[in-house]
Amino acid sequence: QVQLVQSGAEVKKPGASVKVSCKASGYTFIGYYMHWVRQAPGQGLEWMGWINPNSGGTNYAQKFQGRVTMTRDTSINTAYMELSGLRSDDTALYYCASILQALDALDFWGQGTMVTVSS
Amino acid sequence: DIQMTQSPSSLSASVGDRVTITCRASQSVSSYLNWYQQKPGKAPKLLIYTASDLQSGVPSRFSGSGSGTEFTLTISSLQPEDFATYYCQQSYSTPLTFGGGTKVDIK
Repeated sequence: QVQLVQSGAEVKKPGASVKVSCKASGYTFIGYYMHWVRQAPGQGLEWMGWINPNSGGTNYAQKFQGRVTMTRDTSINTAYMELSGLRSDDTALYYCASILQALDALDFWGQGTMVTVSS
Repeated sequence: DIQMTQSPSSLSASVGDRVTITCRASQSVSSYLNWYQQKPGKAPKLLIYTASDLQSGVPSRFSGSGSGTEFTLTISSLQPEDFATYYCQQSYSTPLTFGGGTKVDIK
């Protein structure tokens, strides 16, 4: 069965970077884009961008341009999202998600990784 | 960017009630509109894609309609497990954008 398993919670200081991983199983990793979505505590959902695991091509939301880097390691079916220059308002639950079956809808999600930015 | 506006932001309802949530887009998204359900501490779950297609495994009491800029999610008979927050999301263009959410709680 399809699974997206994310790395564990992180606590970072302002200005630091964080790298979250998302290991995919149960499907052909390189065949489907991986998206990243975040959710601040008590807030709504915010799309950050996607990576094409086959080519490595990316599409980032303008808000995160220059601070976010999405990469992948196809040998271990894992996607990564690195966010630099962390601020307190980057404190959020970060999800990876993919569109596998439903047309243009995020139908499989990771469990989320909590990133807390605090001095 | 396409702005998505949901209404209401919250509602109280009883088991068995018919519930309707509205989502409006700032410009046409054709039928590229999806609905998700999220429960506390859990990842969002896809309910409806391309405005009206029911995701596999989702109960038939959920339905979606609309096109262009106005969409609705309807729960025909609210069940105890349906108390959650619901989000719409457009996939017409990037950046993908979500509505602010509608929290459905128990009256």
